[in-house]
Amino acid sequence: EVQLVESGGGLVQPGKSLRLSCVASGFTFDDYAMHWVRQVPGKGLEWVSHISWNSGNIDYADSVKGRFTISRDNAKSSLYLQMNSLRAEDMALYYCAKDAAAAPGTALDYWGQGTLVTVSS
Amino acid sequence: SSELTQDPAVSVALGQTVRITCQGDSRRVYYTSWYQQKPGHAPVLVFYGENYRPSGIPDRFSASTSGNTASLTITGAQAEDEADYYCNSRDSSRNPHVVFGGGTKLTVL
Repeated sequence: EVQLVESGGGLVQPGKSLRLSCVASGFTFDDYAMHWVRQVPGKGLEWVSHISWNSGNIDYADSVKGRFTISRDNAKSSLYLQMNSLRAEDMALYYCAKDAAAAPGTALDYWGQGTLVTVSS
Repeated sequence: SSELTQDPAVSVALGQTVRITCQGDSRRVYYTSWYQQKPGHAPVLVFYGENYRPSGIPDRFSASTSGNTASLTITGAQAEDEADYYCNSRDSSRNPHVVFGGGTKLTVL
């Protein structure tokens, strides 16, 4: 059974940093691209970033580019999102999602339950 | 960047057919996928690519694309299909960015 378990969310002050983690199981992690997608409670989905199976292809939404860094450790079946210079508008539930392919695409076939990031002073 | 426009809300009578649309900007939408999200739950992929339905998704779900509009069709909607539906696609102006539509709330009457 595929499982994605996010952690690292919490309350953080504006301008501070937070690192999200996602531990994967139930599939061969290094065969697939991975994504972070966020959702403000009650609102729609927003794609944040993706990383290919070998970390060779990485991209970010314009809203986070230069502040967020995605990475992965295939030996640990883990995905990360380093979030710096956090803003109020970054407050959301952050989902880790598995791509259906090795190269990043649009078919995200498994999702975690999300970790909530709250940005407030 | 590109935007994908979805109707905010759609309703369908139980057992009837409903089409949920996802309109891109002036450029063609491609590599579109569709997700179902029920309250308090993570999204679930229900259709992707040319003709791919993940295992466990009922065959009443189908999808198609014509020009700048992608569509998800539910043939014979069931009560359990009531949910929010999101499309996503490659951002045609910023490939390989991914962009999501704003979502459609489907009510089954």
